[in-house]
Formats: sequence, C-alpha cells, structure tokens
Amino acid sequence: QQQVKQSPQSLIVQKGGISIINCAYENTAFDYFPWYQQFPGKGPALLIAIRPDVSEKKEGRFTISFNKSAKQFSLHIMDSQPGDSATYFCAASTPRSGNTPLVFGKGTRLSVIA
Amino acid sequence: IAGITQAPTSQILAAGRRMTLRCTQDMRHNAMYWYRQDLGLGLRLIHYSNTAGTTGKGEVPDGYSVSRANTDDFPLTLASAVPSQTSVYFCASSEVGSVGQFFGPGTRLTVL
Repeated sequence: QQQVKQSPQSLIVQKGGISIINCAYENTAFDYFPWYQQFPGKGPALLIAIRPDVSEKKEGRFTISFNKSAKQFSLHIMDSQPGDSATYFCAASTPRSGNTPLVFGKGTRLSVIA
Repeated sequence: IAGITQAPTSQILAAGRRMTLRCTQDMRHNAMYWYRQDLGLGLRLIHYSNTAGTTGKGEVPDGYSVSRANTDDFPLTLASAVPSQTSVYFCASSEVGSVGQFFGPGTRLTVL
C-alpha cells in the first residue's frame, strides 16, 4: 500500500509559468510534510516543509498548500525557471512520535522550457 | 568532511559477491537512514537507526544488513548481491524528533 501518492509523474512548464505538484497521504498520524528537490547525479535536498497546523507556507517562489481534511498537500512553484528543472519528491513522517523515517512519493520530473 | 559522505561513488559487482556501502556524517545526528532509488519507484527506506547501537527495518530490508557502532558511521552490507539490488543508494541523517533529513551524494551500484 502506497502511503504517499504523488502526481503527475512528469510535468513540462513554460518559463514564467506556475508548476503544481500534488500529493495525497493515507496515514493521519503524519505530522510533517517536506518537499525535496533532486538534480541529476545529486542527492535529494530539502526544499520546503509544512506541519499540519498551518494551511500554507511560502518561501520565495515556492509554496506548500496543505488540506488536512482532504489529506492532500501540494507544491506550487511560481515564475518557474529553467534552473527549477529537477525531480521533486513529496514525503511524510511522524517526527513528534520519534519516528523520523520519511515515506516518499514516487517523484515528479519537472522540465521548465524557455 | 562537511555533511554526509558516501563511498564508493559507483561500483559494478558480480552477483553473489559481498559488498559494503559506507556512510559517514559529521553533524553528530542521532538518526541515520539508507534509501534506495529506482526509476518510477522513488526513494524507499531500507534500514534506519535512531541512535548508535539500535537499528530498524524499513520498507525493503531483505538482502541488506546494517550496523551502527558509533554516531558517525552507518554501513550498509549486501551479503550476497543479486541483480535486483542494482540501484542508487542514498544515506541520510537527521536529529531524532527533528525535521529535515540531509542526504549524501549517493552510490550507484550495478549488480551483474
């Protein structure tokens, strides 16, 4: 059973456009939802994260929207740039219970074209 | 050393051979993790350790073993490699109860 479902698998966006990646989760005990960015040949790097006590978190051009009742969260990249082209992973965990391993979505390959 | 280092960077291995992937972190994080990344499957947890001396199984532990003799090192061993273990392996670390895992650069392993 896949605990975190991510869509789409791939996404092509024009430069300056908005990239939107969606994730849904099963386990209501999850209380930490990060997004990771991975460039080819590199390890994933934490991009932005949210806890379920807020509905939105913004850092620069990156925004997480969180819907606790629907058990969904999404990443929005405003004014997408070619340098944003990477694979993005959503994830979830329960760090407050001391259980920190992340459960990852399967990833979205984003291509931003000029 | 800054962050997490993994060795080797890449390896081609004959099936049936034993292989240990090394991971060292210098951030004094309590928790460490091993993931494998396969195309279309994302990152899957193999084993983890919340503190030195303890380990736990992740989603795909079969065929792998780990040890955590000290805070800094978390080696992953394939006792008898099989072709299905061809993958990119990432080590990560974090503070227990904290947020934000830091990932190493990965080891690309090919089992023939």
